[in-house]
Amino acid sequence: VQLVQSGAEVKKPGASVTVSCKASGYTFSKLGISWVRQAPGQGLEWMGWISTYNGNTNYAQNVLGRVSMTADTSTNTIFLELRSLRYDDTAVYYCAKDYMSSDISPPDFLGQGTLVTVSS
Amino acid sequence: EIVLTQSPGTLSLSPGERATVSCRASQSVTSSYLAWYQQKPGQAPRLLIYGVSSRATGIPDRFSGTGSGTDFTLTISRLEPEDFAVYYCHQYGRPPWTFGQGTKVEIK
Repeated sequence: VQLVQSGAEVKKPGASVTVSCKASGYTFSKLGISWVRQAPGQGLEWMGWISTYNGNTNYAQNVLGRVSMTADTSTNTIFLELRSLRYDDTAVYYCAKDYMSSDISPPDFLGQGTLVTVSS
Repeated sequence: EIVLTQSPGTLSLSPGERATVSCRASQSVTSSYLAWYQQKPGQAPRLLIYGVSSRATGIPDRFSGTGSGTDFTLTISRLEPEDFAVYYCHQYGRPPWTFGQGTKVEIK
């Protein structure tokens, strides 16, 4: 079971970034995906969750309107797009699959993380 | 939003000692959907406990979780050298899901 994330990004303020997370080793549509970020030296911040079964999403209020999560079932890949980047969006972004295939499951972090740096 | 407050911020202990980390929620955690994670520098968080007290696959039995409602505890019965890390509680029952601010368990 693996989640392989795309590489580090450097973006200017106001730009957009897309981070990908390719899943393998399990039935993709059975386990949803969460995105969690961690600013340098800080704690964990939940950004949202997507159902890989039907594409339903649930976003955190503090990124609502700037974030989109999508799932491509043909390639077992999940995408996180964050728009109108700000300096405080600088963080390591993790994708995490549901630990188990029940209605409610905690995230299980298998992705290596993607560093997104917002810098002018 | 459910705010999770962990205490203490830092715990200084020796190998072999018992570690107790507290997590207090601002509202009752829905259906006991409370988890604990361990994170070491440069690594992704690792799921230790879910559903308040169930150990994730491969987690040693020296890790245990207890609690209900708004008060939860992670206990490490006897610290091993590899247990020195930062620990986070996490509620996943009511959106937005939230994390505690973390507790660092360091070597005394």
